[in-house]
Amino acid sequence: GESVGLHLPTLSVQEGDNSIINCAYSNSASDYFIWYKQESGKGPQFIIDIRSNMDKRQGQRVTVLLNKTVKHLSLQIAATQPGDSAVYFCAENIGQGSNYKLTFGKGTLLTVNP
Amino acid sequence: AAGVIQSPRHLIKEKRETATLKCYPIPRHDTVYWYQQGPGQDPQFLISFYEKMQSDKGSIPDRFSAQQFSDYHSELNMSSLELGDSALYFCASSVGTGETFFGQGTRLTVV
Repeated sequence: GESVGLHLPTLSVQEGDNSIINCAYSNSASDYFIWYKQESGKGPQFIIDIRSNMDKRQGQRVTVLLNKTVKHLSLQIAATQPGDSAVYFCAENIGQGSNYKLTFGKGTLLTVNP
Repeated sequence: AAGVIQSPRHLIKEKRETATLKCYPIPRHDTVYWYQQGPGQDPQFLISFYEKMQSDKGSIPDRFSAQQFSDYHSELNMSSLELGDSALYFCASSVGTGETFFGQGTRLTVV
């Protein structure tokens, strides 16, 4: 079946560096993508989202890039801080009408070294 | 701001027992979702409700059932528990297809 997946399972960066987490998706009909951060023992926390009519969206220290041609999504975190250490998931919001659900990709564990 | 509330936070059950997980969505959210997350895994969709009616079903075992009540809280009932049911169970809520907010989860351990 179609799914969303991540290229890298782990990423280790130095504090202050920029981090890039990648994600590939296979459902070409997908039109809404979300990045979630999950800290140990906690629920996924919304970071940023993007719709398919955009190729870039910026938040506070985070940027999401969408390349529909190659079905690729990335999350860029600027000036990574120790508090950014967590597992990051990309998710695809799939459905129709009032019936939608999130399909998660495999997480990437980001470790920020002080 | 109110968040999605789940109870209990931790639950230990023996094999073949029954467990009930509760979820209180954010007020005025009309959609509730249940997800299961095994160790080191991504969350897997189980079931969802829109305005108290089941709207979609994922990879939920027949031993599991769920419902949403008139006050919009939801319960996930799990019977004949197996060791493989040990996981984090998340409830989430949204307004239609808007941002989905997750609760802190219930960690179920089956021994």
